[in-house]
Amino acid sequence: GAGVSQSPSNKVTEKGKDVELRCDPISGHTALYWYRQRLGQGLEFLIYFQGNSAPDKSGLPSDRFSAERTGESVSTLTIQRTQQEDSAVYLCATGPGRSSYGYTFGSGTRLTVV
Amino acid sequence: AQSVTQLDSHVSVSEGTPVLLRCNYSSSYSPSLFWYVQHPNKGLQLLLKYTSAATLVKGINGFEAEFKKSETSFHLTKPSAHMSDAAEYFCVVTVNAGNNRKLIWGLGTSLAVNP
Repeated sequence: GAGVSQSPSNKVTEKGKDVELRCDPISGHTALYWYRQRLGQGLEFLIYFQGNSAPDKSGLPSDRFSAERTGESVSTLTIQRTQQEDSAVYLCATGPGRSSYGYTFGSGTRLTVV
Repeated sequence: AQSVTQLDSHVSVSEGTPVLLRCNYSSSYSPSLFWYVQHPNKGLQLLLKYTSAATLVKGINGFEAEFKKSETSFHLTKPSAHMSDAAEYFCVVTVNAGNNRKLIWGLGTSLAVNP
């Protein structure tokens, strides 16, 4: 597609349920990042994929969070046993993997845990 | 360690006056630097990027930024603010981490434009 596509755009879930967020990258983009932005706060790095290298998971806040990506394809971010503090906008960004280029962001998934 | 500091969490200007959003970075390598803008209820948009070419970078919507290595700064400016410029602005540096590259984000500067 022409841009980074994220789905769903909005998700309301009950506390304790699992959710799965999806990111479809731009074709050929080897780098993929997941971020979250809580209300009134800056962007928080979660996880980084670069091609077939081992992902950088250093930003995942707890073991309830996990993400997968196979090669340069779709990525899914899974949050298990959701808590109210997980409520945020989750952003996916992809890029060609070279530092001289900017990254394209999806419009995000707004997650609300009630 | 690499870091990005946006010196002002909130900036308020009058319409038609200049805008200055400050960003300082710390990087062990020659960095690539970016400014992104996020309007309410919209995704992030790339304003401009510095990639070791010209130190004065022009972006969209009349914004520009100057890379000053001696000051480790990459401040964002615009000669005349417009009401539509009200948004959250993020300064970003990319750094090398082994064979990977990471984005380091500033906390953002909220720009308010008063009529």
